[in-house]
Amino acid sequence: GAGVSQTPSNKVTEKGKYVELRCDPISGHTALYWYRQSLGQGPEFLIYFQGTGAADDSGLPNDRFFAVRPEGSVSTLKIQRTERGDSAVYLCASSIYVGQENEQFFGPGTRLTVL
Amino acid sequence: TQLLEQSPQFLSIQEGENLTVYCNSSSVFSSLQWYRQEPGEGPVLLVTVVTGGEVKKLKRLTFQFGDARKDSSLHITAAQPGDTGLYLCAGASGTYKYIFGTGTRLKVLA
Repeated sequence: GAGVSQTPSNKVTEKGKYVELRCDPISGHTALYWYRQSLGQGPEFLIYFQGTGAADDSGLPNDRFFAVRPEGSVSTLKIQRTERGDSAVYLCASSIYVGQENEQFFGPGTRLTVL
Repeated sequence: TQLLEQSPQFLSIQEGENLTVYCNSSSVFSSLQWYRQEPGEGPVLLVTVVTGGEVKKLKRLTFQFGDARKDSSLHITAAQPGDTGLYLCAGASGTYKYIFGTGTRLKVLA
């Protein structure tokens, strides 16, 4: 079956603009995560959804970042007034359950470049 | 703040050599995972270790979780060029939140 897909694969924008990044999780996966990965670093947790609700958004850097998952499937990460420091690869992952043996399936990421 | 430090950061070895990558923290984790990530792709799960002192083997890869569940190691025997990639450890903080390590970039030369 299809894995996690993310669109666009690359996004170049100008400082101050608004961007939306989309994640299509594996069908039936109730848990969805967003991470941010800067060059040479490991992924940094941003937000976790269980179903439609954001169960933990403690990793969002500030109020310019917002994410939704209105029907418990597709999720959109929204960034307002982008800054050069927002440039990174944004990864989405989904899993069928949480717990000690939780396996997250990652998408290929969206590379965001803010000029 | 929970941090996971990985060492070494970079490793370049010849095909057939053995290597060990370390993942250390001052925090206790309920479980720890190892991932491999290739350029342009997301991380792919290799293994999850849950019990302190646990050892798991996956072909030429051996994973160990420290007795105190604060550290872990990944040992690769007879490395091959296909093992090249970024290796990441991730500690579970609670039931769903994962803290990723800083990563070890491995290059295996033919």
